[in-house]
Amino acid sequence: KQEVTQIPAALSVPEGENLVLNCSFTDSAIYNLQWFRQDPGKGLTSLLLIQSSQREQTSGRLNASLDKSSGRSTLYIAASQPGDSATYLCAAYGNNRLAFGKGNQVVVIP
Amino acid sequence: DADVTQTPRNRITKTGKRIMLECSQTKGHDRMYWYRQDPGLGLRLIYYSFDVKDINKGEISDGYSVSRQAQAKFSLSLESAIPNQTALYFCATSDSLGIGSYTFGSGTRLTVV
Repeated sequence: KQEVTQIPAALSVPEGENLVLNCSFTDSAIYNLQWFRQDPGKGLTSLLLIQSSQREQTSGRLNASLDKSSGRSTLYIAASQPGDSATYLCAAYGNNRLAFGKGNQVVVIP
Repeated sequence: DADVTQTPRNRITKTGKRIMLECSQTKGHDRMYWYRQDPGLGLRLIYYSFDVKDINKGEISDGYSVSRQAQAKFSLSLESAIPNQTALYFCATSDSLGIGSYTFGSGTRLTVV
């Protein structure tokens, strides 16, 4: 069974600092890895999807990397803004299942 | 309109009552899923369906049932609701290969009292 872990569970950063969120997974036989954003009490918004053959994906201030061999993915958010405050979820897809981590709860302090 | 629509958005029900949560999608995807989210436990898969005639149990299917009425509709039922089924429920879709991105609904907050 795929286990996905996200560290740290919660963090606060001053506005303008870069954010680094870590995700690890136990089974490296994945098809892709996705990062989602969730605002309190809301649904999930897909941010980035990295196929297993890719090493990274970028969208604006967001960059996600994938290292299948070590079972790790990292989400970088450059120059954080208060609007980036949310929970970020990592999810690994394999064996027809999407396995989620418990999330990184981020607060960006103005 | 949202690609994946869940109804109701919020529901309070009493222990022992039957309740149905509905999901409809306009993505044209074959695959649909039901997840529940609990604080500290993350999202867990309840049921999934790869097409109208294919229904599969997920990690935590006990106490739940589903119906795939059409390609675009997938409903989740709690036959006899209990308080530990209080959670945020999400419906999601993905393409037929299942290796594309998932699209989630906005969620249904269910409280069982």
